[in-house]
Amino acid sequence: DKQMTQSPSSLSASVGDKVTITCRASPYTDVHLCWYQQKPGKAPRLLIYRASTLQTGVPSRFSGSGSGTDFTLTISGLQPEDFATYYCQQTFVTPPTFGPGTKVE
Amino acid sequence: EVQLVQSGAEVKKPGESLKISCETFGYSFTKYWIAWVRQTPEKGLEWMGIIWPGNSETKYSPSLEGQVTISADKSTNTAYLQWSSLKASDSAMYYCTRHEDGLGWSIFDYWGQGTLVSVSS
Repeated sequence: DKQMTQSPSSLSASVGDKVTITCRASPYTDVHLCWYQQKPGKAPRLLIYRASTLQTGVPSRFSGSGSGTDFTLTISGLQPEDFATYYCQQTFVTPPTFGPGTKVE
Repeated sequence: EVQLVQSGAEVKKPGESLKISCETFGYSFTKYWIAWVRQTPEKGLEWMGIIWPGNSETKYSPSLEGQVTISADKSTNTAYLQWSSLKASDSAMYYCTRHEDGLGWSIFDYWGQGTLVSVSS
Protein backbone atom coordinates (compact mmCIF):
# COMPACT_ATOMS: atom_id res chain seq x y z
CA ASP A 1 0.00 0.00 0.00
CA LYS A 2 1.07 3.57 -0.67
CA GLN A 3 2.33 5.20 2.52
CA MET A 4 1.13 8.60 3.65
CA THR A 5 2.71 10.72 6.36
CA GLN A 6 1.53 14.00 7.86
CA SER A 7 3.21 16.68 9.91
CA PRO A 8 2.79 17.83 12.49
CA SER A 9 0.72 15.19 14.29
CA SER A 10 -0.86 17.98 16.31
CA LEU A 11 -0.62 21.72 16.57
CA SER A 12 -1.89 24.43 18.84
CA ALA A 13 -3.44 27.47 17.19
CA SER A 14 -5.73 30.39 17.91
CA VAL A 15 -8.69 31.85 16.10
CA GLY A 16 -7.45 33.96 13.22
CA ASP A 17 -4.18 32.09 12.80
CA LYS A 18 -2.90 30.76 9.48
CA VAL A 19 -2.44 27.00 9.80
CA THR A 20 -0.40 24.81 7.46
CA ILE A 21 -0.44 21.02 7.43
CA THR A 22 1.89 18.93 5.30
CA CYS A 23 1.28 15.52 3.75
CA ARG A 24 3.88 13.36 2.01
CA ALA A 25 3.08 10.41 -0.23
CA SER A 26 5.47 7.57 -0.93
CA PRO A 27 5.87 6.96 -3.75
CA TYR A 28 4.52 9.45 -6.27
CA THR A 29 0.77 10.21 -6.32
CA ASP A 30 0.50 12.90 -9.02
CA VAL A 31 -2.34 15.23 -7.87
CA HIS A 32 -4.62 12.46 -6.66
CA LEU A 33 -4.74 13.79 -3.13
CA CYS A 34 -7.75 14.66 -0.95
CA TRP A 35 -8.06 16.40 2.39
CA TYR A 36 -10.72 15.61 4.98
CA GLN A 37 -11.80 17.23 8.24
CA GLN A 38 -13.12 15.11 11.08
CA LYS A 39 -14.67 16.29 14.31
CA PRO A 40 -15.12 14.00 17.35
CA GLY A 41 -17.99 11.59 16.90
CA LYS A 42 -18.52 12.60 13.26
CA ALA A 43 -17.66 11.14 9.89
CA PRO A 44 -14.86 12.66 7.81
CA ARG A 45 -15.88 15.57 5.60
CA LEU A 46 -14.29 16.08 2.20
CA LEU A 47 -12.62 19.50 1.95
CA ILE A 48 -10.32 19.36 -1.07
CA TYR A 49 -9.73 16.95 -3.93
CA ARG A 50 -7.27 16.75 -6.78
CA ALA A 51 -4.80 18.41 -4.38
CA SER A 52 -6.26 21.91 -4.77
CA THR A 53 -9.93 21.81 -5.80
CA LEU A 54 -12.32 22.98 -3.11
CA GLN A 55 -15.33 20.73 -2.57
CA THR A 56 -18.68 22.45 -2.98
CA GLY A 57 -19.73 24.26 0.17
CA VAL A 58 -16.28 24.38 1.77
CA PRO A 59 -15.22 27.87 2.89
CA SER A 60 -12.57 29.59 0.81
CA ARG A 61 -10.24 29.94 3.82
CA PHE A 62 -9.28 26.32 3.09
CA SER A 63 -6.79 25.77 0.29
CA GLY A 64 -4.60 22.98 -0.94
CA SER A 65 -1.44 22.77 -3.00
CA GLY A 66 1.21 20.37 -4.15
CA SER A 67 1.79 17.54 -6.58
CA GLY A 68 3.88 14.40 -6.82
CA THR A 69 4.83 13.55 -3.27
CA ASP A 70 4.43 16.74 -1.21
CA PHE A 71 1.15 18.45 -0.42
CA THR A 72 -0.09 21.21 1.85
CA LEU A 73 -3.42 22.14 3.40
CA THR A 74 -3.69 25.75 4.52
CA ILE A 75 -6.38 27.34 6.65
CA SER A 76 -6.16 31.10 6.30
CA GLY A 77 -7.84 32.63 9.31
CA LEU A 78 -8.73 29.76 11.62
CA GLN A 79 -12.33 29.81 12.82
CA PRO A 80 -13.72 28.18 16.00
CA GLU A 81 -15.43 25.48 13.94
CA ASP A 82 -12.10 24.51 12.34
CA PHE A 83 -10.69 22.86 15.46
CA ALA A 84 -10.66 19.24 14.29
CA THR A 85 -8.42 16.51 12.93
CA TYR A 86 -7.35 16.71 9.29
CA TYR A 87 -6.45 13.74 7.10
CA CYS A 88 -4.90 13.50 3.69
CA GLN A 89 -5.76 10.60 1.38
CA GLN A 90 -4.18 9.43 -1.86
CA THR A 91 -6.50 8.12 -4.55
CA PHE A 92 -3.79 7.41 -7.13
CA VAL A 93 -3.75 3.67 -6.54
CA THR A 94 -6.05 1.10 -4.96
CA PRO A 95 -6.36 0.77 -2.05
CA PRO A 96 -6.66 4.49 -1.35
CA THR A 97 -4.73 5.22 1.84
CA PHE A 98 -5.06 7.90 4.50
CA GLY A 99 -2.48 9.80 6.44
CA PRO A 100 -2.38 9.43 10.24
CA GLY A 101 -4.03 12.79 10.84
CA THR A 102 -3.16 16.21 12.23
CA LYS A 103 -5.11 17.44 15.21
CA VAL A 104 -5.65 21.21 15.34
CA GLU A 105 -6.31 22.25 18.91
CA GLU B 1 -30.47 15.54 -0.52
CA VAL B 2 -27.91 12.77 -0.55
CA GLN B 3 -27.83 10.77 2.68
CA LEU B 4 -26.20 7.56 3.80
CA VAL B 5 -27.80 6.17 6.94
CA GLN B 6 -26.07 3.35 8.75
CA SER B 7 -27.41 0.75 11.15
CA GLY B 8 -26.87 1.10 14.89
CA ALA B 9 -24.03 0.12 17.18
CA GLU B 10 -23.36 -3.57 17.74
CA VAL B 11 -21.86 -5.50 20.65
CA LYS B 12 -20.77 -9.02 19.72
CA LYS B 13 -18.69 -11.92 20.97
CA PRO B 14 -15.71 -13.39 19.10
CA GLY B 15 -16.83 -15.99 16.58
CA GLU B 16 -20.27 -14.45 16.03
CA SER B 17 -21.47 -13.24 12.65
CA LEU B 18 -22.59 -9.71 11.85
CA LYS B 19 -24.05 -7.73 8.97
CA ILE B 20 -24.23 -3.93 9.12
CA SER B 21 -26.07 -1.77 6.63
CA CYS B 22 -25.86 1.54 4.82
CA GLU B 23 -29.15 2.78 3.35
CA THR B 24 -28.82 5.50 0.75
CA PHE B 25 -31.16 8.30 -0.25
CA GLY B 26 -31.29 11.13 -2.72
CA TYR B 27 -29.30 9.79 -5.67
CA SER B 28 -29.21 6.91 -8.12
CA PHE B 29 -27.83 4.03 -6.05
CA THR B 30 -26.69 1.96 -9.01
CA LYS B 31 -24.55 4.73 -10.54
CA TYR B 32 -21.98 5.30 -7.80
CA TRP B 33 -19.51 3.08 -6.00
CA ILE B 34 -20.01 2.63 -2.25
CA ALA B 35 -16.94 2.02 -0.10
CA TRP B 36 -16.49 0.90 3.48
CA VAL B 37 -13.85 2.56 5.68
CA ARG B 38 -12.74 1.36 9.10
CA GLN B 39 -11.40 3.63 11.82
CA THR B 40 -9.50 2.61 14.92
CA PRO B 41 -7.24 4.59 17.27
CA GLU B 42 -4.36 2.23 16.42
CA LYS B 43 -4.53 2.18 12.62
CA GLY B 44 -6.55 5.29 11.80
CA LEU B 45 -8.69 5.32 8.67
CA GLU B 46 -8.49 2.22 6.46
CA TRP B 47 -10.26 1.65 3.16
CA MET B 48 -11.74 -1.85 3.28
CA GLY B 49 -13.37 -2.32 -0.08
CA ILE B 50 -15.89 -1.03 -2.56
CA ILE B 51 -18.94 -2.16 -4.50
CA TRP B 52 -20.67 -1.05 -7.69
CA PRO B 53 -24.33 -1.67 -6.82
CA GLY B 54 -25.30 -1.80 -10.48
CA ASN B 55 -23.73 -5.23 -10.96
CA SER B 56 -22.32 -5.98 -7.47
CA GLU B 57 -18.72 -5.82 -8.70
CA THR B 58 -16.51 -5.64 -5.61
CA LYS B 59 -12.89 -4.84 -4.85
CA TYR B 60 -11.26 -5.46 -1.50
CA SER B 61 -8.18 -4.22 0.26
CA PRO B 62 -5.57 -6.99 -0.03
CA SER B 63 -5.12 -6.95 3.75
CA LEU B 64 -8.81 -7.64 4.34
CA GLU B 65 -9.81 -9.86 1.45
CA GLY B 66 -11.53 -12.98 2.70
CA GLN B 67 -12.26 -11.50 6.12
CA VAL B 68 -15.33 -9.47 5.16
CA THR B 69 -18.01 -9.49 2.46
CA ILE B 70 -19.47 -6.39 0.84
CA SER B 71 -22.84 -6.63 -0.86
CA ALA B 72 -25.66 -4.42 -2.10
CA ASP B 73 -29.42 -4.67 -2.56
CA LYS B 74 -30.71 -2.57 -5.45
CA SER B 75 -34.31 -3.00 -4.35
CA THR B 76 -33.66 -1.17 -1.08
CA ASN B 77 -30.72 1.05 -2.11
CA THR B 78 -28.70 -0.48 0.71
CA ALA B 79 -25.10 -1.62 0.95
CA TYR B 80 -23.88 -4.15 3.50
CA LEU B 81 -20.69 -5.19 5.25
CA GLN B 82 -20.63 -8.58 6.88
CA TRP B 83 -18.43 -10.92 8.88
CA SER B 84 -18.90 -14.64 9.30
CA SER B 85 -16.70 -14.91 12.38
CA LEU B 86 -15.79 -11.77 14.29
CA LYS B 87 -12.51 -11.21 16.09
CA ALA B 88 -11.69 -8.75 18.83
CA SER B 89 -9.53 -6.92 16.30
CA ASP B 90 -12.68 -6.14 14.26
CA SER B 91 -13.73 -3.67 16.96
CA ALA B 92 -13.86 -0.32 15.21
CA MET B 93 -16.04 2.43 13.82
CA TYR B 94 -17.19 1.57 10.32
CA TYR B 95 -18.24 4.15 7.75
CA CYS B 96 -19.85 3.75 4.36
CA THR B 97 -19.07 6.42 1.82
CA ARG B 98 -20.10 7.22 -1.71
CA HIS B 99 -17.30 7.26 -4.28
CA GLU B 100 -17.27 9.31 -7.42
CA ASP B 101 -14.50 9.72 -9.95
CA GLY B 102 -13.78 11.44 -13.20
CA LEU B 103 -10.87 12.28 -15.44
CA GLY B 104 -7.99 12.92 -13.07
CA TRP B 105 -9.98 12.97 -9.85
CA SER B 106 -11.51 10.60 -7.33
CA ILE B 107 -13.47 11.50 -4.20
CA PHE B 108 -15.44 10.08 -1.30
CA ASP B 109 -18.01 12.83 -1.07
CA TYR B 110 -20.83 11.63 1.18
CA TRP B 111 -20.41 9.58 4.34
CA GLY B 112 -22.69 7.67 6.67
CA GLN B 113 -22.74 8.55 10.36
CA GLY B 114 -20.77 5.45 11.29
CA THR B 115 -21.53 2.14 12.98
CA LEU B 116 -19.56 1.25 16.10
CA VAL B 117 -18.79 -2.45 16.36
CA SER B 118 -17.46 -3.83 19.66
CA VAL B 119 -16.26 -7.42 19.84
CA SER B 120 -15.42 -8.79 23.26
CA SER B 121 -15.82 -12.00 25.20
